[in-house]
Amino acid sequence: GESVGLHLPTLSVQEGDNSIINCAYSNSASDYFIWYKQESGKGPQFIIDIRSNMDKRQGQRVTVLLNKTVKHLSLQIAATQPGDSAVYFCAENLGQRSGGTSYGKLTFGQGTILTVHP
Amino acid sequence: DTAVSQTPKYLVTQMGNDKSIKCEQNLGHDTMYWYKQDSKKFLKIMFSYNNKELIINETVPNRFSPKSPDKAHLNLHINSLELGDSAVYFCASSQDPQGRAEAFFGQGTRLTVV
Repeated sequence: GESVGLHLPTLSVQEGDNSIINCAYSNSASDYFIWYKQESGKGPQFIIDIRSNMDKRQGQRVTVLLNKTVKHLSLQIAATQPGDSAVYFCAENLGQRSGGTSYGKLTFGQGTILTVHP
Repeated sequence: DTAVSQTPKYLVTQMGNDKSIKCEQNLGHDTMYWYKQDSKKFLKIMFSYNNKELIINETVPNRFSPKSPDKAHLNLHINSLELGDSAVYFCASSQDPQGRAEAFFGQGTRLTVV
């Protein structure tokens, strides 16, 4: 199950189960969202992304759902495997302007530890 | 072929020292970033450069100074290191300065200040 507190939220599942990782984002003006996977000792790796004009996007074994009404993002992993065990981060991009320059700023969520038991 | 590479991977140093972390990307991206990940795994952007020009400078102490000698490199120099600087520092690059494309991350540099 999930727990939220002083530590990172955790999700434990059995191999073969489906996993759902949730994320609340902060800014209703964010225009792009991305999920990253971070394995121990490595940098974050891209999993899937979604633009704000979409509410669902599917990849290989992964689906991202975006609910702009409640500012919620979820990552669904089908048939979870032990190799999926990692920390998962959602991130939101907020476009900004400084003078005449437009740029984006990617803000990361807290992260969720996914543990897959064989 | 590593897309974004950082050196060193580990850095242990004493308080008060000055140190640098180097980053290189071979993806041809114009935009590069430095992120800091604390002990609770929280990832926060520090700086962003686009085509060697600084475009994001978060509330980072002046002791941190990024330098981009060319589009493929973004180095981070830290003066007068403090205990609180201990963290993992990640370099990243992206093809889109407006942030609507994935950022590719390096393997990280674990900095420990003693």
